[in-house]
Amino acid sequence: GDSVTQMEGPVTLSEEAFLTINCTYTATGYPSLFWYVQYPGEGLQLLLKATKADDKGSNKGFEATYRKETTSFHLEKGSVQVSDSAVYFCALILTGGGNKLTFGTGTQLKVEL
Amino acid sequence: EPEVTQTPSHQVTQMGQEVILRCVPISNHLYFYWYRQILGQKVEFLVSFYNNEISEKSEIFDDQFSVERPDGSNFTLKIRSTKLEDSAMYFCASSVKETQYFGPGTRLLVL
Repeated sequence: GDSVTQMEGPVTLSEEAFLTINCTYTATGYPSLFWYVQYPGEGLQLLLKATKADDKGSNKGFEATYRKETTSFHLEKGSVQVSDSAVYFCALILTGGGNKLTFGTGTQLKVEL
Repeated sequence: EPEVTQTPSHQVTQMGQEVILRCVPISNHLYFYWYRQILGQKVEFLVSFYNNEISEKSEIFDDQFSVERPDGSNFTLKIRSTKLEDSAMYFCASSVKETQYFGPGTRLLVL
């Protein structure tokens, strides 16, 4: 079945450090890929998305590139802030295969001063 | 910016009781969803709803669960007889196409 694998957390970084959160996927068709963020005590917010191979999604300084050859969608940010502390979820949806989002387990990011 | 809203934010109930979780999707959206997140675990799909009927449901969505769109704005999830293992955060989402927008969630605690 379709699945998403994320790196284990928590990830702890100092402010202004470079962030990478790894995400790989397994899908029977051609998925669209998403990153959602969950701040403490809040719901899920869409961070960015990419709908086809080699697309780059970006928002709020975060980026992720859809790599079909490595089935990956790693999240990156050049300089993290304390306010980026949250849980980040990678997810996929199969194009033309229904509207079910399949989520990874989430990666908690803690950014310290 | 339009957003998905959910009520209540927290619900405590006794095992065996019925609960109804309410959602108001974004007004021009056509697809509606429920997901749940048990504490510390991944977000799991429950059901999707389109054109006034269920379009897909997961194995979790058994006969104890039902969904309804009783009017033009609300979308509800009913759990007929709650179990301890139903304790979770329940998220409603809506979409025009594939990009889904989530509400803040209802935290359900079954005692």
